[in-house]
Amino acid sequence: DSGVTQTPKHLITATGQRVTLRCSPRSGDLSVYWYQQSLDQGLQFLIQYYNGEERAKGNILERFSAQQFPDLHSELNLSSLELGDSALYFCASSVAASRGDTQYFGPGTRLTVL
Amino acid sequence: EDQVTQSPEALRLQEGESSSLNCSYTVSGLRGLFWYRQDPGKGPEFLFTLYSAGEEKEKERLKATLTKKESFLHITAPKPEDSATYLCAVQDNDMRFGAGTRLTVKP
Repeated sequence: DSGVTQTPKHLITATGQRVTLRCSPRSGDLSVYWYQQSLDQGLQFLIQYYNGEERAKGNILERFSAQQFPDLHSELNLSSLELGDSALYFCASSVAASRGDTQYFGPGTRLTVL
Repeated sequence: EDQVTQSPEALRLQEGESSSLNCSYTVSGLRGLFWYRQDPGKGPEFLFTLYSAGEEKEKERLKATLTKKESFLHITAPKPEDSATYLCAVQDNDMRFGAGTRLTVKP
């Protein structure tokens, strides 16, 4: 158990809908990262937050957004969902925002868009 | 373009048969190289972080090494419970993951 929690475990929804995924980092970690893992793309970095502020952006679509709250939990919002958004979404956390910090991953949310 | 390439894609071993997994990378400024283990449908589990060429880390049957161009994950006398996908990730400005090596260890 990494100490990172994610809810829900599974999410099934329809095209065009909007969903919110939630992540709580390990105790003491200030950075939260979001990743998407699909069969054909592997693990892709989406976005990083550090202590409530956006720190780095990866391959995140404009339809996706995230935020980190004062209690350090984070939410990833996915809107206008398409079939291709079906994937595993992982959250990871690290102590700080330094390059080279070890990231600890949560168990993931499996999103299925029908 | 920065890349992370893992080989082989899949590896089948008999229990006790030692082998190595490779991760080669091309990035401009390496900040860290990470090895993770991932079981199907689960989150990646952290194994090692390496920061500079020549560094080595060990944990049970696993040993990770790093050169300027690649990293190896050596598995000594593997057991069936070592079966998993092993992911390598490299960080410069971004975190980039390789596609992984799917390891199967037969009893």
